[in-house]
Amino acid sequence: GAVVSQHPSWVICKSGTSVKIECRSLDFQATTMFWYRQFPKQSLMLMATSNEGSKATYEQGVEKDKFLINHASLTLSTLTVTSAHPEDSSFYICSARDVRAQAHQPQHFGDGTRLSIL
Amino acid sequence: AQSVTQPDIHITVSEGASLELRCNYSYGATPYLFWYVQSPGQGLQLLLKYFSGDTLVQGIKGFEAEFKRSQSSFNLRKPSVHWSDAAEYFCAVGAGNSGNTPLVFGKGTRLSVIA
Repeated sequence: GAVVSQHPSWVICKSGTSVKIECRSLDFQATTMFWYRQFPKQSLMLMATSNEGSKATYEQGVEKDKFLINHASLTLSTLTVTSAHPEDSSFYICSARDVRAQAHQPQHFGDGTRLSIL
Repeated sequence: AQSVTQPDIHITVSEGASLELRCNYSYGATPYLFWYVQSPGQGLQLLLKYFSGDTLVQGIKGFEAEFKRSQSSFNLRKPSVHWSDAAEYFCAVGAGNSGNTPLVFGKGTRLSVIA
């Protein structure tokens, strides 16, 4: 079945560094991918919609210069957390949907990336 | 805009007992509804989904959910809970054409299972 791969699954880094997270659709193409953030014991909140070949659409309150999204191909979207600080520590999850999918077919979620900023 | 309410933050049931997790949604048209399960530190696993047709939907791991338009509800049920069902459960709603629209998630219900 359709698989979305996220890499890395877990990353620890020092405050001030930048971290790149990849979201890759392994056996399908996706013109749109979504990035969610989940704080401990909370729900998933949409951060941004990643559009292949164009600028991402960010949700209100999400800093686009802080969370850089690049969707350069139909199978890869990247989220870069720039100059990360401890408050950026969270679980980041992406989802993608096959461009050929019919309306009733669901999105596919990656396994998430746990980001810890020291 | 869509919204999802999961009234129960935490539910504890005995192993072998029945389970019902509540979900209410708000959406102007016919929604696409989903239930996901998440184990600690893991991603989301789709349990079941409703798009149209039969309002009683069967999913994986013995779960089912019933769509009730009159009550704007999509409650998740399981007749006999196993210890391995302990996890966080999320109800989500998508717009009618969910292809390029994100899902809106409820706050989740944490299920604990006791012997």
